[in-house]
Amino acid sequence: NAGVMQNPRHLVRRRGQEARLRCSPMKGHSHVYWYRQLPEEGLKFMVYLQKENIIDESGMPKERFSAEFPKEGPSILRIQQVVRGDSAAYFCASARQDEQYFGPGTRLTVT
Amino acid sequence: GENVEQHPSTLSVQEGDSAVIKCTYSDSASNYFPWYKQELGKRPQLIIDIRSNVGEKKDQRIAVTLNKTAKHFSLHITETQPEDSAVYFCAASKKNFNKFYFGSGTKLNVKP
Repeated sequence: NAGVMQNPRHLVRRRGQEARLRCSPMKGHSHVYWYRQLPEEGLKFMVYLQKENIIDESGMPKERFSAEFPKEGPSILRIQQVVRGDSAAYFCASARQDEQYFGPGTRLTVT
Repeated sequence: GENVEQHPSTLSVQEGDSAVIKCTYSDSASNYFPWYKQELGKRPQLIIDIRSNVGEKKDQRIAVTLNKTAKHFSLHITETQPEDSAVYFCAASKKNFNKFYFGSGTKLNVKP
């Protein structure tokens, strides 16, 4: 029973490039959450998606960030025109009722 | 919206002692309170959770208590071991399939 999968695990981008982070939920889970974690800090909610629907994107920056969870395939968090401040660990979690299970994270470094 | 505060930010204990981490929340509608353990460079792992219809829950050396009136909940680790060293996060959410509001984390160091 595979857990939550994320790839890539590490991603390096130059300022101005695009970053695409992928998340495959656990089997049987249809709810995906994305969180951002800065070094030495807690996790901050970004967006909550179900298949083909964005349920809550109140934590997403208004510009450059977008997320999707298509009918087929993984959920994708897209960051356009990355800046140094986007460097962080991005975790996704999938849910069965209340409990959320986290993936291993993608560590994004913007140079 | 919900605001979760967590204390202390760092905690150092001797192996075998107990450790207690406390969290408060602001939204009385919150009804699910999980605790996560995160080792350096790893994913947060769910270690225990409690729902608002229960006052206490225990799993071996770990227990969580909830006081709905005061809006606070606590994690208790007894007989600590060096492998308990990690960052612990509390969280609160309102209902099924809802976002978590996380505390800022407690770095626990268990000295051998």
